[in-house]
Amino acid sequence: DSGVTQTPKHLITATGQRVTLRCSPRSGDLSVYWYQQSLDQGLQFLIQYYNGEERAKGNILERFSAQQFPDLHSELNLSSLELGDSALYFCASSVGLQNEQFFGPGTRLTVL
Amino acid sequence: AQTVTQSQPEMSVQEAETVTLSCTYDTSESDYYLFWYKQPPSRQMILVIRQEAYKQQNATENRFSVNFQKAAKSFSLKISDSQLGDAAMYFCAYRSAMNRDDKIIFGKGTRLHILP
Repeated sequence: DSGVTQTPKHLITATGQRVTLRCSPRSGDLSVYWYQQSLDQGLQFLIQYYNGEERAKGNILERFSAQQFPDLHSELNLSSLELGDSALYFCASSVGLQNEQFFGPGTRLTVL
Repeated sequence: AQTVTQSQPEMSVQEAETVTLSCTYDTSESDYYLFWYKQPPSRQMILVIRQEAYKQQNATENRFSVNFQKAAKSFSLKISDSQLGDAAMYFCAYRSAMNRDDKIIFGKGTRLHILP
């Protein structure tokens, strides 16, 4: 158990819908990262927040957005869902920058 | 941009034997970290071993060791005395130590099968 929690574990939804994935970092960790693991693209970085501020963006679609709240939990919002958005979405956290990232168990999103 | 390449999509090894997973990377940076992550069927991402580029000594963690060749940009993982619990997807990964962001860049993975 890494100490990072993600909810829900599984999510099944339809095309065109919007979902929110939630991540609670380890206690004391300020930095949160979101990664997407799909069959087509492999594991890729989406976005990073540090102490409430967006710090880095990867190949994140415009239909996707994220935020980190004052209590440091983070949410990833996926809208206008397409079949290709089906993937495992990981959240990771680290105490600061350039520190080890601890991965949560992931949220499995299935878009039908 | 940095890239990580794992040329072996799948490998098999007999239990108790030794196996080496290959990884090459491309970067113009001089300061970075390299990792091997294990993803078992549970899908949890588990850090196996980590190497700092400025350290010449190869990292070792129990039965896991790496062969880090900086000039060749090669970073292979050796698993000794393979066990059934080692069966998993293994990802080689890179992280810059110089950039503003510290995202991890992953290879496509190598699925390792352990034969009893």
